[in-house]
Amino acid sequence: EVQLVESGGGLVQPGRSLKLSCAASGFTFSNYGMNWIRQAPGKGLEWVASISSSSSYIYYADTVKGRFTISRDNAKNTLYLQMTSLRSEDTALYYCARRVNYGGYPMDAWGQGASVTVSS
Amino acid sequence: DTVLTQSPALAVSPGERVTISCRASESVSTLMHWYQQKPGQQPKLLIYKASNLASGVPARFSGSGSGTDFTFTIDPVEADDIATYYCHQSWNSPPTFGGGTKLELK
Repeated sequence: EVQLVESGGGLVQPGRSLKLSCAASGFTFSNYGMNWIRQAPGKGLEWVASISSSSSYIYYADTVKGRFTISRDNAKNTLYLQMTSLRSEDTALYYCARRVNYGGYPMDAWGQGASVTVSS
Repeated sequence: DTVLTQSPALAVSPGERVTISCRASESVSTLMHWYQQKPGQQPKLLIYKASNLASGVPARFSGSGSGTDFTFTIDPVEADDIATYYCHQSWNSPPTFGGGTKLELK
């Protein structure tokens, strides 16, 4: 069974940092691109960042570029999101999602999400 | 960025057919995907590349369209289908999502 489990969320003050992790199991992690998607309370879905299977290609939303860093450790089957200079507008549930290798790269598996609250 | 526009909400009765639309601000070819999100749960992929059913998804769900206009259909609707449905395009960078259509019971 494909599983994605996020961790590392919490309450953090504006300007501080936080690192999310996503532990993958049930599939060959190193074969798949991965994404971070976030959802602010009561709002829709927003793509945050993508990383290819070998970390060769990395992309960010303009809203987080320069502040967030996506990375992965294929030996540990884990995806990361390092978040710095956090703002109140970064408050959201952060999902990691697997990118399918066909059909235009939809996301076919999602974790339960890690909650990040940025507040003083 | 490619803006995807969905109707905010629709009211349906079980057994009915419902169609949700998603209009893109520019062509996305056929790289439109649809997700279902129930309250307190993560999104679930239902349709990929406009009209392809994801694995394990009932045939009551279908999708169509190309270019800028896409539709997602549930026929017939079941009570368990009450959720918010999102379209997502992966043709243009950055990938974007529609605002979601909340399906409600009449």
